[in-house]
Amino acid sequence: NAGVMQNPRHLVRRRGQEARLRCSPMKGHSHVYWYRQLPEEGLKFMVYLQKENIIDESGMPKERFSAEFPKEGPSILRIQQVVRGDSAAYFCASSRDRGSTGELFFGEGSRLTVL
Amino acid sequence: AQTVTQSQPEMSVQEAETVTLSCTYDTSESDYYLFWYKQPPSRQMILVIRQEAYKQQNATENRFSVNFQKAAKSFSLKISDSQLGDAAMYFCAYRSGFGNEKLTFGTGTRLTIIP
Repeated sequence: NAGVMQNPRHLVRRRGQEARLRCSPMKGHSHVYWYRQLPEEGLKFMVYLQKENIIDESGMPKERFSAEFPKEGPSILRIQQVVRGDSAAYFCASSRDRGSTGELFFGEGSRLTVL
Repeated sequence: AQTVTQSQPEMSVQEAETVTLSCTYDTSESDYYLFWYKQPPSRQMILVIRQEAYKQQNATENRFSVNFQKAAKSFSLKISDSQLGDAAMYFCAYRSGFGNEKLTFGTGTRLTIIP
């Protein structure tokens, strides 16, 4: 039973380019969470999605960032016109359903470097 | 809003000894969950132990145990018989008992094991 799969593991972009990070949740999981980890800091919540719906985006920057979780395929975190401050590790986590045991299963993260 | 505080940026312990990592949190909710996650150099977030706030008994998982003091809003992690593989960043996290599984993380404690 594969865990949460994230790709790419490492992504390098120049300022102004777009970054797309993908997350496939664990089998049977329909809830996806994205977190950002800046160097030497803890993870910060960004967005929570269910299939085709954004449930909570209170941690998402208002501009340049968007997320989706289509009916088919992985969840995508998209960062437009990247800046150096976007350099971070982006983690995806999934859970089976809302109000379950409370455990999130994390992927290995995608490290974005903006030159 | 809930906050999680880890006041020890770094800790070290001799192999086979016991170490305690501190965590305090602030919340006005009565129903919630607390977690300790381990992040080794591979960066994957690994759940170490969890505690439901309504349970008075402290959670235990093999060499890992917690001291949950609900009134003091304290949730420390004790690692017994420390092993080299325990070296990692340790994050304390809070999740509300209502709504979704969104986690609020502390800033982490880097644990070094001295051979």
